[in-house]
Amino acid sequence: GENVEQHPSTLSVQEGDSAVIKCTYSDSASNYFPWYKQELGKRPQLIIDIRSNVGEKKDQRIAVTLNKTAKHFSLHITETQPEDSAVYFCAAFKSGKSTFGDGTTLTVKP
Amino acid sequence: GAVVSQHPSWVICKSGTSVKIECRSLDFQATTMFWYRQFPKQSLMLMATSNEGSKATYEQGVEKDKFLINHASLTLSTLTVTSAHPEDSSFYICSAVRSRGDEQYFGPGTRLTVT
Repeated sequence: GENVEQHPSTLSVQEGDSAVIKCTYSDSASNYFPWYKQELGKRPQLIIDIRSNVGEKKDQRIAVTLNKTAKHFSLHITETQPEDSAVYFCAAFKSGKSTFGDGTTLTVKP
Repeated sequence: GAVVSQHPSWVICKSGTSVKIECRSLDFQATTMFWYRQFPKQSLMLMATSNEGSKATYEQGVEKDKFLINHASLTLSTLTVTSAHPEDSSFYICSAVRSRGDEQYFGPGTRLTVT
């Protein structure tokens, strides 16, 4: 089955700095890669996603890049703010079925 | 649009009893619903995929006789934890998709505590 690895497990940055989280996947047939933000005790919220026919997507301060050949994708958050502090999960979908990464706890220090 | 609800939001039950959790898509018809389990500070683990009118597909290692899933309509799926034990205590989250390839819409989750 699919295996998704996510790094780093924890990330601490100063407010205003950029944060980058990386994921690799094993199944080349996976074709949809969302990123979720989850605050403590709450549901995951989709923040950005990318499909396998696209290399990069940006939405304001958030961007995702996908390298299909290397089977990895990354989340980039620029100009981080304290409210960006949360756990971020990547996921890889194949035929509608998802595999999640282990999560990255991002802390943005004011 | 695309709102998914879960009920109850939290439940405490005694060991050996059964608990039913409902997942509803409120403003769309969900072709597929997913059930996840999340332990504290861990990732979401897919338990099963539920399609309306057919049997759920369980992930490896998930006991289908213990975690009963029923997807009776395009807006409702239920997860019943039978003969619950303390190790079943977890955060159970459902999600729904409108069509294949669509994004998942997550429910708010149900925190189950088995005493």
